[in-house]
Amino acid sequence: DAKTTQPTSMDCAEGRAANLPCNHSTISGNEYVYWYRQIHSQGPQYIIHGLKNNETNEMASLIITEDRKSSTLILPHATLRDTAVYYCIVRVAADSSYKLIFGSGTRLLVRP
Amino acid sequence: DTGVSQDPRHKITKRGQNVTFRCDPISEHNRLYWYRQTLGQGPEFLTYFQNEAQLEKSRLLSDRFSAERPKGSFSTLEIQRTEQGDSAMYLCASSSRAPGGNSYNSPLHFGNGTRLTVT
Repeated sequence: DAKTTQPTSMDCAEGRAANLPCNHSTISGNEYVYWYRQIHSQGPQYIIHGLKNNETNEMASLIITEDRKSSTLILPHATLRDTAVYYCIVRVAADSSYKLIFGSGTRLLVRP
Repeated sequence: DTGVSQDPRHKITKRGQNVTFRCDPISEHNRLYWYRQTLGQGPEFLTYFQNEAQLEKSRLLSDRFSAERPKGSFSTLEIQRTEQGDSAMYLCASSSRAPGGNSYNSPLHFGNGTRLTVT
């Protein structure tokens, strides 16, 4: 089972920041938080991941709370092309296959 | 880096027929994964290869399903005697060992899947 809780859906206005929350209260100290998104009819696209520190790349920023029980994915200037399902995933440290277990994600709608 | 390639993109078949899908991972990625995704759900793990060895199979992978990765490069997923419940998107992903050997720090990269419709 997925170890994360995300809102089912969110929306934001084009050009504004989109802040997608994720709760992972049972995360272990050596487990990474991964974010993927999936645009209709495409495979999941890797966005970003982190362990403890905040991370930023060309797509997004990942803010992880100090206790690591929650995180927020930030898309700084959302565009219509960011409309997608966003998955927050905790990669289980004890799993030697290193697979990712997906939940249902957050459906983000970016409004014009 | 040309990404993970899957073929075909779409497959329509009649119930009872056999189908085979192919996945070409990113070059030199030693780990390969198959997932299945039905409408409105997140992807579900099916099976995992490290090089040519199939190391894990989900209980979702019934006896009618078989996956191979004969030379540790491309992989095939075959479904025998297809049923309507097999209709889904079949996704392939690959990953490599991360620098320093911490594979939890290495993302999976997904292809765009094969959409199977069983009529």
